Amino acid sequence: RKEVEQDPGPFNVPEGATVAFNCTYSNSASQSFFWYRQDCRKEPKLLMSVYSSGNEDGRFTAQLNRASQYISLLIRDSKLSDSATYLCVVTPQGAGNMLTFGGGTRLMVKP
Amino acid sequence: NAGVTQTPKFQVLKTGQSMTLQCAQDMNHEYMSWYRQDPGMGLRLIHYSVGAGITDQGEVPNGYNVSRSTTEDFPLRLLSAAPSQTSVYFCASRPGLSLYEQYFGPGTRLTVT
Repeated sequence: RKEVEQDPGPFNVPEGATVAFNCTYSNSASQSFFWYRQDCRKEPKLLMSVYSSGNEDGRFTAQLNRASQYISLLIRDSKLSDSATYLCVVTPQGAGNMLTFGGGTRLMVKP
Repeated sequence: NAGVTQTPKFQVLKTGQSMTLQCAQDMNHEYMSWYRQDPGMGLRLIHYSVGAGITDQGEVPNGYNVSRSTTEDFPLRLLSAAPSQTSVYFCASRPGLSLYEQYFGPGTRLTVT
């Protein structure tokens, strides 16, 4: 089983829609969680950290469920510019602060 | 600041050739790392460094060497290229071990024939 798993998609949604992705992780002692965004043929960039209490940044909301070992990303009022691949990132405990990346979920927002 | 820079952007190698992928950062970050990205596999850590003179292996180190003689530079050397090393390579840096916002370079697309 992969350490961090994501549905690869693609998720095809119309502009203005709300879309949510989940990401599951296998190491229950994982400590820190993040969402990165990667545009086609570009480098990944940090979108947001995921805190235990959940956090929001504009149209983006991230949640952590430690009991079920998943994190989620909710995007409201989708824009064409949200089209990208969203990478789930976890720092497993005892991994020397290494970041473990999921395979990514591709989102395509259509007009 | 230029951030993290990588050269070359594209490279084609024949099996058995060696080459060095260059990576530099101008943010005075202690932690640098190399990843490869393959379709459906996510980014996998090849090697990393926690400071000048200190390097360690990541998840997929075989076939690659690194060195860190300065804070700024972290080159990745392919010893004898194989088709399985065809991939996109990203260099990344971050300020410290416990600071997780990682800054990536633009990547090098490598094809080994």
